[in-house]
Amino acid sequence: SQQGEEDPQALSIQEGENATMNCSYKTSINNLQWYRQNSGRGLVHLILIRSNEREKHSGRLRVTLDTSKKSSSLLITASRAADTASYFCATDADGGSQGNLIFGKGTKLSVKP
Amino acid sequence: DGGITQSPKYLFRKEGQNVTLSCEQNLNHDAMYWYRQDPGQGLRLIYYSQIVNDFQKGDIAEGYSVSREKKESFPLTVTSAQKNPTAFYLCASSIVPSGISQPQHFGDGTRLSIL
Repeated sequence: SQQGEEDPQALSIQEGENATMNCSYKTSINNLQWYRQNSGRGLVHLILIRSNEREKHSGRLRVTLDTSKKSSSLLITASRAADTASYFCATDADGGSQGNLIFGKGTKLSVKP
Repeated sequence: DGGITQSPKYLFRKEGQNVTLSCEQNLNHDAMYWYRQDPGQGLRLIYYSQIVNDFQKGDIAEGYSVSREKKESFPLTVTSAQKNPTAFYLCASSIVPSGISQPQHFGDGTRLSIL
């Protein structure tokens, strides 16, 4: 089955810098979602981008989707220590026939004050 | 506040014992999910349910069982047949996907360990 794969596995930056995480997937999708997970907590939905959209913004988050390359990126601008977390992309499973999600292994972001 | 409550936060299992993880939501969502997360890994789907009294196996259902008697509740039982149950278990809910995935809301998880 298809799966999103995030890159890099880990990223360490200074507060105020921008953080970019990438996600690649294998087959066609209806939409792609990004989630954040703080250590020892559940996932929090950040943003959903549909297959016919190329870019979407939410506050300091910018997500792009390139369906021709089967890839997406998540940009966090002006990062803060509170952005320290793992970030996961999730794509539809089986073309979305059941609406289930397949999650990648995540990018662990560390923002140093 | 609407949300998903998982309990307990930590759980220990003895050899040959079945244990049940609780998941309750007051978001009025029809769909509920159980995932397993191992260290440094993504989430793997155990079971899901899109309507009361119906549920489907996910990718790693062996050694687990669920029930969906009420819309608000989706308990997961880790049976003695699950030989490697140590993991972080996450419950989630969403509106019914209807062929296209929807944002999922997650509880704060239950960490299960073997005694």
